[in-house]
Amino acid sequence: DIQMTQSPSSLPASLGDRVTITCRASQDIGNYLRWFQQKPGKSPRLMIYGATNLANGVPSRFSGSRSGSDYSLTINSLESEDMAIYYCLQHNEYPYTFGAGTKLELK
Amino acid sequence: EVQLVESGGGLVQPGRSLKLSCAASGFTFSNYGMAWVRQAPTKGLEWVATISYDGSSTYYRDSVKGRFTISRDNAKSTLYLQMDSLRSEDTATYYCARGATGDYWGQGVMVTVSS
Repeated sequence: DIQMTQSPSSLPASLGDRVTITCRASQDIGNYLRWFQQKPGKSPRLMIYGATNLANGVPSRFSGSRSGSDYSLTINSLESEDMAIYYCLQHNEYPYTFGAGTKLELK
Repeated sequence: EVQLVESGGGLVQPGRSLKLSCAASGFTFSNYGMAWVRQAPTKGLEWVATISYDGSSTYYRDSVKGRFTISRDNAKSTLYLQMDSLRSEDTATYYCARGATGDYWGQGVMVTVSS
């Protein structure tokens, strides 16, 4: 199975900060990488697909990038509504696998 | 508006069965693959199974293979997950998701496996 190593597990940040979350794939997954946001008690929401493409309705302060086997989600100018847990997902091959999640919280 | 509404969860004893349903609306259900994803209490997300748009192909994670069956009824715009031989480690909120990788998700349904 492809392992997705996500870091950090917890990320304290202040409003207005620029933050980056990273997932490293254990095997080549091309651009078959998605990012999801999950708020407490809510369903996950798709934020980024194809590693770099913004999903419908997602604010432009969110962006995705790739460098080799490292995939990053960056949020510019953090807002209070961005506090959530973020997960990456590889869908290059079955079984699809998620990263362990990054909890973004106010410092 | 895309809507996915799960039902059928509850408390079940180990070794017993349960069938989840997911009623879809707001899109042409028969055009999309669908998936089930679960989340154990306080844990992360775990992909469970995917079915192709026409039901001809299915994929499962190893831990549920042979015990769970994903299926669909395109005439009813409904996705199913038949769960047999349930174990305590299957306790989770189960989400129905559109597409193999979830561009829209339901609100989830809780399944508790306990004696």
